[in-house]
Amino acid sequence: AQSVTQLGSHVSVSEGALVLLRCNYSSSVPPYLFWYVQYPNQGLQLLLKYTSAATLVKGINGFEAEFKKSETSFHLTKPSAHMSDAAEYFCAVSDNTNAGKSTFGDGTTLTVKP
Amino acid sequence: DTGVSQNPRHKITKRGQNVTFRCDPISEHNRLYWYRQTLGQGPEFLTYFQNEAQLEKSRLLSDRFSAERPKGSFSTLEIQRTEQGDSAMYLCASSLEDRITYEQYFGPGTRLTVT
Repeated sequence: AQSVTQLGSHVSVSEGALVLLRCNYSSSVPPYLFWYVQYPNQGLQLLLKYTSAATLVKGINGFEAEFKKSETSFHLTKPSAHMSDAAEYFCAVSDNTNAGKSTFGDGTTLTVKP
Repeated sequence: DTGVSQNPRHKITKRGQNVTFRCDPISEHNRLYWYRQTLGQGPEFLTYFQNEAQLEKSRLLSDRFSAERPKGSFSTLEIQRTEQGDSAMYLCASSLEDRITYEQYFGPGTRLTVT
């Protein structure tokens, strides 16, 4: 069984500040890990993914995440927040034994203050 | 590539009525997934298809729910005798069978409100 825990349902940062959204996963087999962003009343857009290649993954809009097996973590970061980053972010895990279906965390709402 | 589309985007129905949603995946994608998302939670897996075959259903999918994917193209999700607890966003995603990444592309969702 797989699971994802996103620490902090709400994160607030000032524009220009570092963004750090935390994700811890549980998986009995090597995982694939994803971060998605969701704007109100829209579907999910993939930000980045880890698929067992490089542990530091760069995504769109300046986001990146680092896979740390020892900590079972896949935290999302961005050096400088922009107002347009305000949205809900979901971490998800899947693996090659479950036909690609993903297990999602409960999400973190990011607020960016001017 | 026109992306994954879902119709309708919003549906309001009275308890006890039947509703049907449609998902059109990216044309070359052979896998199609349905998820349900309630307020304040992440999407939860409901079912998935590989081509026209429905290969897995979650225990969340009660007998009132049925999904089809005729000819392996678009898919429909029907809910019979809707209940207020069915109110949620229903998300569809598609992917190309890929043993490496299983990257999924999501549609905009159908928001169902049962009154």
